[in-house]
Amino acid sequence: GENVEQHPSTLSVQEGDSAVIKCTYSDSASNYFPWYKQELGKRPQLIIDIRSNVGEKKDQRIAVTLNKTAKHFSLHITETQPEDSAVYFCAAIQGAQKLVFGQGTRLTINP
Amino acid sequence: DTGVSQDPRHKITKRGQNVTFRCDPISEHNRLYWYRQTLGQGPEFLTYFQNEAQLEKSRLLSDRFSAERPKGSFSTLEIQRTEQGDSAMYLCASSRQSHRETQYFGPGTRLLVL
Repeated sequence: GENVEQHPSTLSVQEGDSAVIKCTYSDSASNYFPWYKQELGKRPQLIIDIRSNVGEKKDQRIAVTLNKTAKHFSLHITETQPEDSAVYFCAAIQGAQKLVFGQGTRLTINP
Repeated sequence: DTGVSQDPRHKITKRGQNVTFRCDPISEHNRLYWYRQTLGQGPEFLTYFQNEAQLEKSRLLSDRFSAERPKGSFSTLEIQRTEQGDSAMYLCASSRQSHRETQYFGPGTRLLVL
């Protein structure tokens, strides 16, 4: 089955700097890769996603890149703000139904 | 609020008791998923429904767990004879048929088994 590895587990950046979180997946058949943001005690919130027929997608300060050959994808947050502090999860879809999640990255934005 | 809702939000029970959680998906979504999340980990898939049909169950879903979606709308997840290892956040998600990969999560039910 699919296995998703996520790095780093914690990340601390200065406000205004960029943050990058990386994930690798094992199943070459996976074709959909969402990113979720989860604040303490709240639901995972979908922030951006990418499908395997696209190499990059951007939404304001957030971008995701996908390298199908290497089977890895990354989340890029530019001009970070304190409200970006949260746990971020990458995931890969398996069989068009269940999401397989990475272990999460706790992002802290220092003012 | 037109998002996924779950009830209760918190549940404390004693070991050996049965508990039942409810999930109401977004109204036009025909797919409904249950995940379990333990502290410091990502959500793990438990099971999913398309309309009223339960199409896949994870090996994590032991015979003490049962999920239903009788009318293809809300779903219930029951845990019988709870164990301390069942303590976790139980998350529900839903998606529509036309964009079935895009799953929207509810706030979860946090279960603590004493």
